[in-house]
Amino acid sequence: DAGVIQSPRHEVTEMGQEVTLRCKPISGHDYLFWYRQTMMRGLELLIYFNNNVPIDDSGMPEDRFSAKMPNASFSTLKIQPSEPRDSAVYFCASSLIMDTQYFGPGTRLTVL
Amino acid sequence: AQSVTQPDIHITVSEGASLELRCNYSYGATPYLFWYVQSPGQGLQLLLKYFSGDTLVQGIKGFEAEFKRSQSSFNLRKPSVHWSDAAEYFCAVGTSGTYKYIFGTGTRLKVLA
Repeated sequence: DAGVIQSPRHEVTEMGQEVTLRCKPISGHDYLFWYRQTMMRGLELLIYFNNNVPIDDSGMPEDRFSAKMPNASFSTLKIQPSEPRDSAVYFCASSLIMDTQYFGPGTRLTVL
Repeated sequence: AQSVTQPDIHITVSEGASLELRCNYSYGATPYLFWYVQSPGQGLQLLLKYFSGDTLVQGIKGFEAEFKRSQSSFNLRKPSVHWSDAAEYFCAVGTSGTYKYIFGTGTRLKVLA
Protein backbone atom coordinates (compact mmCIF):
# COMPACT_ATOMS: atom_id res chain seq x y z
CA ASP A 1 0.00 0.00 0.00
CA ALA A 2 1.27 3.49 -0.81
CA GLY A 3 0.25 4.90 2.55
CA VAL A 4 -1.36 8.27 3.08
CA ILE A 5 -0.42 10.68 0.31
CA GLN A 6 -0.30 14.43 0.78
CA SER A 7 0.37 17.19 -1.69
CA PRO A 8 2.09 19.49 -2.00
CA ARG A 9 4.95 18.64 0.37
CA HIS A 10 5.94 22.27 0.63
CA GLU A 11 3.89 25.38 -0.02
CA VAL A 12 5.06 28.97 0.17
CA THR A 13 2.47 31.66 -0.33
CA GLU A 14 1.83 35.26 0.47
CA MET A 15 -0.57 36.54 3.07
CA GLY A 16 -4.10 36.80 1.75
CA GLN A 17 -3.76 34.04 -0.82
CA GLU A 18 -5.86 30.90 -0.85
CA VAL A 19 -4.10 27.67 0.04
CA THR A 20 -5.39 24.18 -0.68
CA LEU A 21 -3.82 21.10 0.85
CA ARG A 22 -4.67 17.66 -0.46
CA CYS A 23 -4.82 14.20 1.04
CA LYS A 24 -5.41 10.72 -0.27
CA PRO A 25 -6.09 8.26 2.57
CA ILE A 26 -5.18 4.60 2.59
CA SER A 27 -7.65 2.65 0.52
CA GLY A 28 -10.40 1.12 2.63
CA HIS A 29 -9.90 3.38 5.62
CA ASP A 30 -13.10 5.05 6.74
CA TYR A 31 -11.70 7.73 9.05
CA LEU A 32 -9.67 10.73 7.93
CA PHE A 33 -8.01 13.28 10.21
CA TRP A 34 -6.38 16.65 9.62
CA TYR A 35 -3.75 17.84 12.12
CA ARG A 36 -1.61 20.93 12.44
CA GLN A 37 1.84 20.87 14.05
CA THR A 38 3.61 23.97 15.34
CA MET A 39 6.41 24.50 17.81
CA MET A 40 4.16 26.49 20.10
CA ARG A 41 1.08 24.28 20.14
CA GLY A 42 2.38 20.85 19.15
CA LEU A 43 0.04 18.52 17.29
CA GLU A 44 -3.55 19.68 17.15
CA LEU A 45 -6.48 17.85 15.64
CA LEU A 46 -8.36 20.19 13.32
CA ILE A 47 -11.16 18.02 11.98
CA TYR A 48 -12.00 14.42 11.26
CA PHE A 49 -14.32 12.61 8.89
CA ASN A 50 -16.06 9.26 9.01
CA ASN A 51 -17.27 7.83 5.71
CA ASN A 52 -16.71 11.25 4.09
CA VAL A 53 -18.88 13.06 6.65
CA PRO A 54 -17.31 15.63 9.00
CA ILE A 55 -17.77 14.41 12.58
CA ASP A 56 -15.89 16.90 14.70
CA ASP A 57 -14.54 20.22 13.46
CA SER A 58 -14.09 21.79 16.88
CA GLY A 59 -10.37 22.13 16.29
CA MET A 60 -10.71 24.27 13.20
CA PRO A 61 -9.24 27.57 14.33
CA GLU A 62 -11.31 30.03 12.32
CA ASP A 63 -13.80 30.39 9.53
CA ARG A 64 -10.86 30.91 7.22
CA PHE A 65 -10.28 27.16 7.46
CA SER A 66 -12.50 24.68 5.69
CA ALA A 67 -12.21 20.98 4.89
CA LYS A 68 -14.05 18.73 2.50
CA MET A 69 -14.09 15.07 1.64
CA PRO A 70 -15.99 14.64 -1.63
CA ASN A 71 -15.24 10.93 -1.82
CA ALA A 72 -13.51 8.15 0.08
CA SER A 73 -10.18 8.71 -1.61
CA PHE A 74 -9.72 12.46 -1.43
CA SER A 75 -9.86 15.31 1.05
CA THR A 76 -8.85 18.96 1.00
CA LEU A 77 -8.04 21.50 3.66
CA LYS A 78 -8.41 25.06 2.47
CA ILE A 79 -7.27 28.29 4.07
CA GLN A 80 -8.72 31.49 2.65
CA PRO A 81 -7.30 34.04 3.20
CA SER A 82 -4.03 32.75 4.58
CA GLU A 83 -2.10 34.57 7.32
CA PRO A 84 1.50 34.24 8.54
CA ARG A 85 0.30 32.58 11.76
CA ASP A 86 -1.05 29.71 9.68
CA SER A 87 2.52 28.65 8.92
CA ALA A 88 2.87 25.09 10.18
CA VAL A 89 3.12 21.49 9.09
CA TYR A 90 -0.26 20.03 8.24
CA PHE A 91 -0.70 16.28 8.51
CA CYS A 92 -3.40 14.05 7.20
CA ALA A 93 -4.00 10.65 8.80
CA SER A 94 -6.40 7.81 8.13
CA SER A 95 -7.61 4.80 10.07
CA LEU A 96 -9.91 1.84 9.86
CA ILE A 97 -12.57 1.96 12.59
CA MET A 98 -11.03 2.50 16.03
CA ASP A 99 -7.52 1.49 15.23
CA THR A 100 -4.18 2.98 14.47
CA GLN A 101 -4.02 6.30 12.69
CA TYR A 102 -1.55 6.26 9.82
CA PHE A 103 0.02 9.60 9.04
CA GLY A 104 1.05 11.12 5.76
CA PRO A 105 4.39 12.89 5.31
CA GLY A 106 2.84 16.31 5.89
CA THR A 107 2.69 19.61 4.03
CA ARG A 108 4.97 22.36 5.27
CA LEU A 109 3.13 25.64 4.77
CA THR A 110 4.89 28.98 4.91
CA VAL A 111 2.81 32.13 4.65
CA LEU A 112 4.89 35.24 4.05
CA ALA B 1 -10.60 16.43 30.27
CA GLN B 2 -8.00 13.98 29.10
CA SER B 3 -4.39 15.07 28.77
CA VAL B 4 -0.97 13.65 28.06
CA THR B 5 2.27 14.78 29.66
CA GLN B 6 5.74 14.03 28.41
CA PRO B 7 7.91 15.62 31.09
CA ASP B 8 11.19 15.39 29.19
CA ILE B 9 11.54 17.78 26.27
CA HIS B 10 15.04 16.61 25.37
CA ILE B 11 16.94 13.44 26.22
CA THR B 12 20.50 12.56 25.25
CA VAL B 13 21.87 9.05 25.50
CA SER B 14 24.95 7.28 24.23
CA GLU B 15 24.63 4.66 21.55
CA GLY B 16 24.18 1.28 23.15
CA ALA B 17 22.73 2.68 26.35
CA SER B 18 19.23 1.91 27.54
CA LEU B 19 16.39 4.36 27.06
CA GLU B 20 13.19 5.20 28.88
CA LEU B 21 10.84 7.94 27.73
CA ARG B 22 8.12 8.94 30.13
CA CYS B 23 4.45 9.46 29.42
CA ASN B 24 1.69 10.22 31.87
CA TYR B 25 -1.95 10.57 30.97
CA SER B 26 -5.11 11.79 32.56
CA TYR B 27 -8.28 9.99 31.59
CA GLY B 28 -11.19 8.60 33.56
CA ALA B 29 -11.56 5.28 31.82
CA THR B 30 -9.07 2.85 30.34
CA PRO B 31 -7.42 4.73 27.53
CA TYR B 32 -6.05 3.63 24.22
CA LEU B 33 -2.35 4.49 24.30
CA PHE B 34 0.14 4.98 21.51
CA TRP B 35 3.74 5.85 20.89
CA TYR B 36 4.73 7.44 17.60
CA VAL B 37 8.14 8.44 16.27
CA GLN B 38 8.82 11.35 13.94
CA SER B 39 12.10 11.68 12.09
CA PRO B 40 13.05 15.13 10.81
CA GLY B 41 10.87 16.20 7.91
CA GLN B 42 8.79 13.05 8.12
CA GLY B 43 5.34 12.06 9.24
CA LEU B 44 4.57 10.12 12.37
CA GLN B 45 5.18 6.38 12.44
CA LEU B 46 3.48 4.11 14.95
CA LEU B 47 5.88 2.30 17.27
CA LEU B 48 3.34 0.45 19.41
CA LYS B 49 -0.11 0.65 20.92
CA TYR B 50 -2.07 -0.56 23.91
CA PHE B 51 -5.79 -1.21 23.85
CA SER B 52 -6.26 -3.93 26.46
CA GLY B 53 -4.76 -7.17 27.73
CA ASP B 54 -1.09 -7.67 28.50
CA THR B 55 0.24 -4.43 29.95
CA LEU B 56 3.69 -4.91 28.41
CA VAL B 57 3.51 -4.33 24.68
CA GLN B 58 6.15 -4.89 22.08
CA GLY B 59 6.60 -2.65 19.11
CA ILE B 60 8.76 -2.16 16.09
CA LYS B 61 12.46 -1.35 16.11
CA GLY B 62 13.00 -3.11 19.44
CA PHE B 63 10.80 -0.76 21.48
CA GLU B 64 8.45 -1.80 24.25
CA ALA B 65 6.12 0.05 26.60
CA GLU B 66 4.39 -0.82 29.84
CA PHE B 67 0.95 0.38 30.86
CA LYS B 68 0.73 1.05 34.59
CA ARG B 69 -2.77 1.98 35.57
CA SER B 70 -1.85 2.85 39.16
CA GLN B 71 0.67 5.40 37.92
CA SER B 72 -1.28 6.55 34.86
CA SER B 73 1.85 5.95 32.86
CA PHE B 74 2.84 4.39 29.57
CA ASN B 75 6.63 4.66 29.41
CA LEU B 76 8.58 3.68 26.32
CA ARG B 77 11.76 1.63 26.68
CA LYS B 78 14.55 0.25 24.58
CA PRO B 79 17.42 -1.79 26.01
CA SER B 80 20.08 -0.59 23.58
CA VAL B 81 19.73 2.59 21.53
CA HIS B 82 21.02 2.89 17.99
CA TRP B 83 22.11 6.13 16.33
CA SER B 84 19.16 5.81 13.95
CA ASP B 85 16.77 6.13 16.90
CA ALA B 86 17.47 9.85 17.08
CA ALA B 87 14.07 11.44 16.46
CA GLU B 88 11.12 12.96 18.25
CA TYR B 89 8.80 10.65 20.14
CA PHE B 90 5.16 11.34 20.83
CA CYS B 91 2.84 9.66 23.28
CA ALA B 92 -0.87 9.83 22.52
CA VAL B 93 -4.08 8.82 24.23
CA GLY B 94 -7.20 7.87 22.35
CA THR B 95 -10.61 8.09 23.86
CA SER B 96 -13.16 5.36 23.53
CA GLY B 97 -15.98 6.23 21.22
CA THR B 98 -14.61 9.45 19.77
CA TYR B 99 -11.57 8.41 17.72
CA LYS B 100 -9.75 11.55 18.80
CA TYR B 101 -6.14 11.38 19.86
CA ILE B 102 -4.55 13.75 22.34
CA PHE B 103 -0.83 14.05 21.75
CA GLY B 104 1.89 14.89 24.20
CA THR B 105 4.34 17.65 23.40
CA GLY B 106 7.00 15.20 22.38
CA THR B 107 10.48 14.19 23.55
CA ARG B 108 13.40 14.83 21.28
CA LEU B 109 16.03 12.10 21.52
CA LYS B 110 19.66 12.72 20.69
CA VAL B 111 22.04 9.78 20.41
CA LEU B 112 25.76 10.24 20.96
CA ALA B 113 28.17 8.07 19.01
